[in-house]
Formats: sequence, C-alpha cells, structure tokens
Amino acid sequence: DTAVSQTPKYLVTQMGNDKSIKCEQNLGHDTMYWYKQDSKKFLKIMFSYNNKELIINETVPNRFSPKSPDKAHLNLHINSLELGDSAVYFCASIARQGLGEQYFGPGTRLTVT
Amino acid sequence: SQELEQSPQSLIVQEGKNLTINCTSSKTLYGLYWYKQKYGEGLIFLMMLQKGGEEKSHEKITAKLDEKKQQSSLHITASQPSHAGIYLCGAGIAGGTSYGKLTFGQGTILTVHP
Repeated sequence: DTAVSQTPKYLVTQMGNDKSIKCEQNLGHDTMYWYKQDSKKFLKIMFSYNNKELIINETVPNRFSPKSPDKAHLNLHINSLELGDSAVYFCASIARQGLGEQYFGPGTRLTVT
Repeated sequence: SQELEQSPQSLIVQEGKNLTINCTSSKTLYGLYWYKQKYGEGLIFLMMLQKGGEEKSHEKITAKLDEKKQQSSLHITASQPSHAGIYLCGAGIAGGTSYGKLTFGQGTILTVHP
C-alpha cells in the first residue's frame, strides 16, 4: 500500500483555470504538508496542517487554498492558474508535530500553458 | 541567499569513484535530513542526523553532522549508476523548528557514468 498518495500525477491546464490536487496518507500521521518544487529543483514549503488545523502558511498567493477534511487528507486548490504555477507539487506527512522523518508522495507535475 | 546551501549543484563521476556532497547553513540546524529523488518520483528518505558530531551509514552512503550543527556532508563510496539522482538536504533551522518545518537546499544532481 502506498503510504502517501497524490492525484493526479500529471496535470496540464490553461492559464486562468481552477484546479485541485489531492493527497492522502494511510500512515495515521497528524501533520501534512504541501511543497512546491520549481524547475531548478528547489523544494519549498507552502502549507502545513496538523490534525485539520492550518499551522504553517508560507508566503503563498491567496489563489492557493489548502483544505483538510480530515487528518488523512490534505487537498490543494489553485484558482486562476498562472504560468509561474508550473512546478511539481509534493505532499508529505509526519507522525507528529516537531521533527521526524517526513514521508513524501510521488508528486504532481502541474503544467500551465 | 539560501538558508541552506548545497554544493556542488551538480556532479558527474565515473562508476567506482567516491564523492561528497555538502550542506551548509549560517544558523544552527535542528535535525538534518538527507533525501534522494529520482526523476519523476518523490523523495526517498536516506538519513537523519540530530546531534553534533553524529555520523550514520547505510550501505555505501555515510552522512555526518559537524559539532557546531551547521554543516553536513554526504559521502558515497564506490559510486554506482543506481546512486544517480538528486540529493536534497533538509533541516529545521533556528527560528523555524516548530511543527516539523523543513528548509531544503537547492539539491545536487548526481550523474554516475558506467
């Protein structure tokens, strides 16, 4: 069974559209994250939720809205997509707040044309 | 400048050669992680270091964290094509350690020629 799964794996869409990426973890972890990896492979944290509560919100445009319906799921909705949103988005989870191994999903490659 | 600097940014070696990747910060690191990423895939956890002077090994990969906890190195002995990929260091940095927030370096792209 996949520990952290993301859908879709690839997403190609046009500027101005609204899209969502879904993430699920079956590890029973309390904390989940969204990261963005740009074309230069630089990985940067966007959001973190702990038990459905938003705890980290880095400087991300408000076109990006995370939603956690339960602690096993963390979705990312993006409004009015722009060319600069093209990147690979990774979901990750950790057993509890604080430091520990973060388990990463396979990533969603978003291409905005 | 990045809070966590990796060097080199890319590395090409011949199979069988040893290599070292460095990860440096001007601040104290609280937990230093090494991950490997293959193209089109997620990040695979390699090792975590927490204490100054700590060293861990797994198969042919050894990671060290210096005594001041500001620099880590990843050393691969007798590299193989299977070692190729992107190596990322991530760490909790002083002032941002709550809730497992990791800051990542820019990655090192490793190519191993057979």
